[in-house]
Amino acid sequence: DVKVTQSSRYLVKRTGEKVFLECVQDMDHENMFWYRQDPGLGLRLIYFSYDVKMKEKGDIPEGYSVSREKKERFSLILESASTNQTSMYLCASSLTRDTFFGPGTRLTVL
Amino acid sequence: QKEVEQNSGPLSVPEGAIASLNCTYSDRGSQSFFWYRQYSGKSPELIMSIYSNGDKEDGRFTAQLNKASQYVSLLIRDSQPSDSATYLCAVNPDNNDMRFGAGTRLTVKP
Repeated sequence: DVKVTQSSRYLVKRTGEKVFLECVQDMDHENMFWYRQDPGLGLRLIYFSYDVKMKEKGDIPEGYSVSREKKERFSLILESASTNQTSMYLCASSLTRDTFFGPGTRLTVL
Repeated sequence: QKEVEQNSGPLSVPEGAIASLNCTYSDRGSQSFFWYRQYSGKSPELIMSIYSNGDKEDGRFTAQLNKASQYVSLLIRDSQPSDSATYLCAVNPDNNDMRFGAGTRLTVKP
C-alpha cells in the first residue's frame, strides 16, 4: 500500500510567520504535488516536482515555495503566512498515472 | 472556462438507486481520467481510473468515457448510505499534473 504522510493534521499560525509543511511518501514515487483545497474552488495545484531538486509552479504558486532534497520528501514553505492562506493542504505522490494523497493539513492563519 | 467542470450538487438518491455523476473537461488531448471519493474531513481516495473510450466496471462502480464529447461519468449502482461523499473528477492532460473538478456532493438516503 502506498503511504503518504504529512507532518501535521492541524496547524495554527500567526500572520507573518514562516510555515513548513512536510510530506513523505514511502513508495519511491518520482512525482510529488502540493494542492490546497477550499470550499467551492476544489483542489488547486500549488507546486509539483518530478525529481529530486526539481520543482515546477502550479496554478497558484504565489506566496509559496517548495523544497525537494530527497526523493521521498517534499516540503511546502509559506514564507510569510497570511490569512488568505488558511486552507486544507494536501500532498500527493504518483509514479505513473495514479495519484495518492496524504491525510491533509488544515492550516489556520490568524 | 474551467478545465474540469462538475455539477456541485448536492445530488440526493435513495438507497439502492443508481447515482450518476458527470464531468466535462476542456483539454481535448487529455489521456487519463480519474474519479476520487472524499469523505468529509478526509483526503481524496482514488476509486476509478479510465484511459480509453467506453465503460470500465469495478464492482458497483462504472466509469464511462467519451473523448469526442470530452465527457466522463461515474455510475454507482445499488447506492448505499456509505457512498455519501464528495466525488472529484480529475483529468491528467499531459501525464504530469492533475486537474480536478470542484466535486459533486452525493447523499444517499436510507
